[in-house]
Order: sequence, then C-alpha cells, then structure tokens
Amino acid sequence: GAVVSQHPSRVICKSGTSVKIECRSLDFQATTMFWYRQFPKQSLMLMATSNEGSKATYEQGVEKDKFLINHASLTLSTLTVTSAHPEDSSFYICSASQGAGVGQETQYFGPGTRLLVL
Amino acid sequence: GEDVEQSLFLSVREGDSSVINCTYTDSSSTYLYWYKQEPGAGLQLLTYIFSNMDMKQDQRLTVLLNKKDKHLSLRIADTQTGDSAIYFCAVYTGGFKTIFGAGTRLFVKA
Repeated sequence: GAVVSQHPSRVICKSGTSVKIECRSLDFQATTMFWYRQFPKQSLMLMATSNEGSKATYEQGVEKDKFLINHASLTLSTLTVTSAHPEDSSFYICSASQGAGVGQETQYFGPGTRLLVL
Repeated sequence: GEDVEQSLFLSVREGDSSVINCTYTDSSSTYLYWYKQEPGAGLQLLTYIFSNMDMKQDQRLTVLLNKKDKHLSLRIADTQTGDSAIYFCAVYTGGFKTIFGAGTRLFVKA
C-alpha cells in the first residue's frame, strides 16, 4: 500500500516552454501533497505544500508564478514549471500524506521526475 | 528553527553492521522516520518510530531513540551491497511539517 506515482519520469524541454509533472496517490487519499526539488548529491528542498482544494503554501524563495501547483483531487497534484530555464533543471520529487492527524502525516514519495531544460 | 543533522558519509564492509546517526532540535517531534534513496529514485520509507518508544526492530533494521539527547539512530545488521544508498532522517513536528536531514551516504565495500 501507500504507492505514489509520478509522470513523466524524465523530460527534456527547450528553454521558454512549460512542463507539467503529475503526482498521483494510487491506493490512498492524499489530503496533503508536497513538492521537493533535489540537486545532485544534495538533500531535499521543500518547495510547497498543497492541500486538496486549496491554494498551495510555498516556501520562502520559491516563485509561485513560476512553479504552479494544482491539487485538484485527493489523488492528484500537478506541478507546472512555467517558462523553464536551464537553471530549473533538477530532480523533482513529490510526496503525499493522508493528512496531519496522528498516524496520517507519514509522507510517501513518488519516484521523482528528472527535468532537463536545454 | 527546527534542524535535523546527519553525518554525510559512512563506509562499512559487507557483513558488518552500519549505524547511521541523526540529531534533531524540536522536542515536540511525534514521529521520526528513516527513508532510503537509491540513485535516480524517490525516497522509500524504511521505518519510523513514535516518540514514546525507545527502540523499534524490523528484521535487519533497529531504530534507537534517545529523547533526552534528541538522538536517533538506524542500525542495519549484516549490511549488504544492496544497502548502499542515501539514508534520510526525518522528524515530524506538526502542522504538515516534516524536517529532513541532509542524508547520509552509505558505502558498502564488498
């Protein structure tokens, strides 16, 4: 149980284009989803937290107009990197949890999406 | 603010035990986690411990929690080459907030 998928696993795009990454919880309802960014050989950097049906909460320094997050249902969240630039190239990982209650806050991670912007 | 610290590297020989250590600052932490990340993959939840426990054992994995010292450790018995990965310590502090350490890169020598 507690499987999270991401699509696509890899994407290469041209500078200036937009890229959408999907994150799905396959066997549980994800009240809360998280988006992380990971640079090579570095830790996770939390970008934003989203709750189903409400606006995402972005971490300091993360541009919300550049990284659009939509958590439209209890099983799907999307991250759209708008007008991508080479410096946006990174490994993006999502995670999902059932909520913030006792026993519900454990995060289950997707396999990640590697984005390369040329 | 809350902080979670881990050593960056650990090297062990195959068959030995590995002990990965983690310290944290938030005393109100309720759940503490260990995740494993293999190259090019997401994070896999290995195990977790609730803050009112001192120890949890799950097959080759043993988690020890010292709340007084805010110290968490993960022991992997009979370490195998397949255990080579990055191990992240994470601490849930409430309100959708989980703080991750920087990760410990475990190298297992055959």
